[in-house]
Amino acid sequence: QVQVVESGGGLVKPGGSLRLSCAVSGFTFSDYHLSWVRQAPGKGLEFVSYISSGGSTIFYADSVQGRFTISRDNAKNSLYLQMSSLRAEDTALYYCARDPQRDDGYAFDIWGQGTMVTVSS
Amino acid sequence: DIQVTQSPSFVSASVGDRVIITCRASQDLNWRLAWYQQTSGKAPKLLIYAASKLESGVPSRFSGSGSGTDFTLTIAGLQPEDVATYYCQKANTFPFTFGGGTKVEIK
Repeated sequence: QVQVVESGGGLVKPGGSLRLSCAVSGFTFSDYHLSWVRQAPGKGLEFVSYISSGGSTIFYADSVQGRFTISRDNAKNSLYLQMSSLRAEDTALYYCARDPQRDDGYAFDIWGQGTMVTVSS
Repeated sequence: DIQVTQSPSFVSASVGDRVIITCRASQDLNWRLAWYQQTSGKAPKLLIYAASKLESGVPSRFSGSGSGTDFTLTIAGLQPEDVATYYCQKANTFPFTFGGGTKVEIK
């Protein structure tokens, strides 16, 4: 049974830092590319960051470039997002999502339930 | 960056109606576009990938079409459980931009 569980969210002050984790089971973690996607309250979906299966290819949205760092530990079946210099506009539900790596383009076929990050003083 | 624009932003339709949602990209995506359904309080669910390929387990009343810059998601026979917000997503290259969403409700 596939399980994707995000954790690490919470309330943080502007300028602060937070580290999100995503624990995966039920599929071979090291075979898949993974991403973080966020959703601000009442808003749409926003791609945040992507990391390839081996960690050699990484993308960031312009809105988080230089402030967020994605990483993974294939031995622990875990994905991470280190967030620093947080701003109010980073307030969102952060989802971990899997790319099924089909030849037909990038997509996200398995999602966790998300972890909420609130940036407020 | 390539922009992805969905329309309409809101649809109200009756049970059994056909609902069509469109997604337009500012540049050619070939066939690399995905569609998602997000019901209230839930994570998004992949419906369609590669513009027209139905994800496993998704009801056949959902279909996708298009290529290049213009794409459509069709719900053939709206059901109460289809009440949701639908998103398209650019799937060719980074950044993997999502459309703004289309909220579908039952009239």
